[in-house]
Amino acid sequence: ETGVTQTPRHLVMGMTNKKSLKCEQHLGHNAMYWYKQSAKKPLELMFVYSLEERVENNSVPSRFSPECPNSSHLFLHLHTLQPEDSALYLCASSQDWQGSYNEQFFGPGTRLTVL
Amino acid sequence: AQSVTQPDIHITVSEGASLELRCNYSYGATPYLFWYVQSPGQGLQLLLKYFSGDTLVQGIKGFEAEFKRSQSSFNLRKPSVHWSDAAEYFCAVGAHRDDKIIFGKGTRLHILP
Repeated sequence: ETGVTQTPRHLVMGMTNKKSLKCEQHLGHNAMYWYKQSAKKPLELMFVYSLEERVENNSVPSRFSPECPNSSHLFLHLHTLQPEDSALYLCASSQDWQGSYNEQFFGPGTRLTVL
Repeated sequence: AQSVTQPDIHITVSEGASLELRCNYSYGATPYLFWYVQSPGQGLQLLLKYFSGDTLVQGIKGFEAEFKRSQSSFNLRKPSVHWSDAAEYFCAVGAHRDDKIIFGKGTRLHILP
């Protein structure tokens, strides 16, 4: 596998379920990101990890819980979500999280539907 | 803090016609500028980027963009569009010391046969 992969590609869950999104990057990058993409809204940065340490948390509700066990893997744990959380969740990685290495490589996304 | 504006939500052009997508940014110094494309159901793919140097940047798929400091713009162009170019296009601006890239709201490109 090359680039950034995300699983699952589609997920339907009820408001009481617990699920996890997985992202894996095969680029040797040090930084990984979670974005939320909703209809008619700009991309919203949710979390940034650099070398497995969280460096950014943009006021995301606690029902979203990220985990970065190593620099190649990033998870987003979901619990008690709301219908308005339905969106495309994109994972990205970059060589570093500051300065000229900000070029980000994106995965294909997970289309999440909360019933 | 930086910001980016894409004034056109939708653009429709005929296949074979030229294309220009507008992007305006706000930042106190020379920014890093990017154009990404997103096909339906896919993630974002980098088309081109500007960090410094030549203000006319060539990208993939026949796209180019020109950095105009005086107009705070970084418009994307293509001389002749193909039906496969139908997608959503995002302009993004980054700062030298900041980890964040700020994305515009996107412009959806429709191609008429």
